[in-house]
This record gives sequence, C-alpha cells and structure tokens, in this order.
Amino acid sequence: ETGVTQSPTHLIKTRGQQVTLRCSSQSGHNTVSWYQQALGQGPQFIFQYYREEENGRGNFPPRFSGLQFPNYSSELNVNALELDDSALYLCASTHPRYETQYFGPGTRLLVL
Amino acid sequence: QQPVQSPQAVILREGEDAVINCSSSKALYSVHWYRQKHGEAPVFLMILLKGGEQKGHEKISASFNEKKQQSSLYLTASQLSYSGTYFCGTLNNAGNMLTFGGGTRLMVKP
Repeated sequence: ETGVTQSPTHLIKTRGQQVTLRCSSQSGHNTVSWYQQALGQGPQFIFQYYREEENGRGNFPPRFSGLQFPNYSSELNVNALELDDSALYLCASTHPRYETQYFGPGTRLLVL
Repeated sequence: QQPVQSPQAVILREGEDAVINCSSSKALYSVHWYRQKHGEAPVFLMILLKGGEQKGHEKISASFNEKKQQSSLYLTASQLSYSGTYFCGTLNNAGNMLTFGGGTRLMVKP
C-alpha cells in the first residue's frame, strides 16, 4: 500500500467522449505525475503537477490536461477520446525531499 | 529517449540468480527500479543516484555506472514472489520526467 488512491478503477467510454480520472496523493507529497501504460509496455509520462502548476509534460497532445488542487489531489482529463487512449492510467506522488515516485493502483480505461 | 532494458524476458528456477540491465543514450541523473505484477501498479524497489548514493530493497541490489550510462539490478536466490515485470526509469536533470524502459519479464518457477 502506497497511500496513493485512484478512481474509478475501471471505465468504459466511446470514441469522442471525455473522461476525468482522479488521484489522491500520499500524505505530505506535493508532486503528482500521470502516466499512460499500454498493454505490454512501460509507463509513458504524460505530465507532472507541483503546487497546482504543470511542471513538465511528455509527448501527449493538448487534449490531455490536468489539474492539481490545494490538497495535492489531482485530475487527468482527456477530451475527444480515441481508440488508442485505451490503457492503464497511473498517477504517482513524490515525496518533497526525495525523488521516489509512489504509484497508485491505476484506472483501466477502455475506449470503444 | 527511452532507456533500453535487457533481457526482455527471463525464466528462473527458485534459488537462481538473475541480472537485469538498463542502458541509456543520455547522461543519467538517477535510475529508478520498479517491479510490476500482472494487473497491479508498479512498486518501487530502488533508486540509484549520481554520485553513488543508493537506497532500496533489502534483498535486491543494484549498480550504477555513470560513465557507461548503465544500471544493473541483481536478484539473488530468487523467490517465487520475484516474478513480475521489472522496469528501470531514468529521471531527467530537471527532476520532473521519469522515462521508463520497455521492461524485463521475469518468471520464477518452483
């Protein structure tokens, strides 16, 4: 147990819809990163939030957006869903002093 | 650019040893190792920092060669619970982007 929680655990959407995924950080962690993991591949970095500001972004289009709230929880929003967006979405929180990222259990998204 | 892991897969008998390698074409600031079991989230194993500081798991060790831009994870006297996919991740200098390799699938058989 890392103390990082995500909701929902599973989600089914159709192409073109929008989705919001949620993440609660481990207590005391003020940095949250989001990753997309396709089947059989390593996690791909989407973006990171630190103190409610985007603090780095991977190679993902603008339809992937996020928010971080004052309590350090976070949301990942994906607009205009495509079939290739089907994946496990992971969030990870980072201790402010160390660099270790602790992952939540993930949200499995299926786009039909 | 994504670090390269080798081997892609390995099968062991309980009690055998294994080495998983991770190499990068870019200078490494730190290397992070994770294990992921099927259907679960990646679990932190170890972090290796530039300058030699090491933190990590009690029964698994690792090395970090900054000059060669490589890291290796050593699993000794493997247990059934070691089965899973191992990922190395490299952190950029800004400390805000962790890039993972493609993974090494490890299966430990009785």
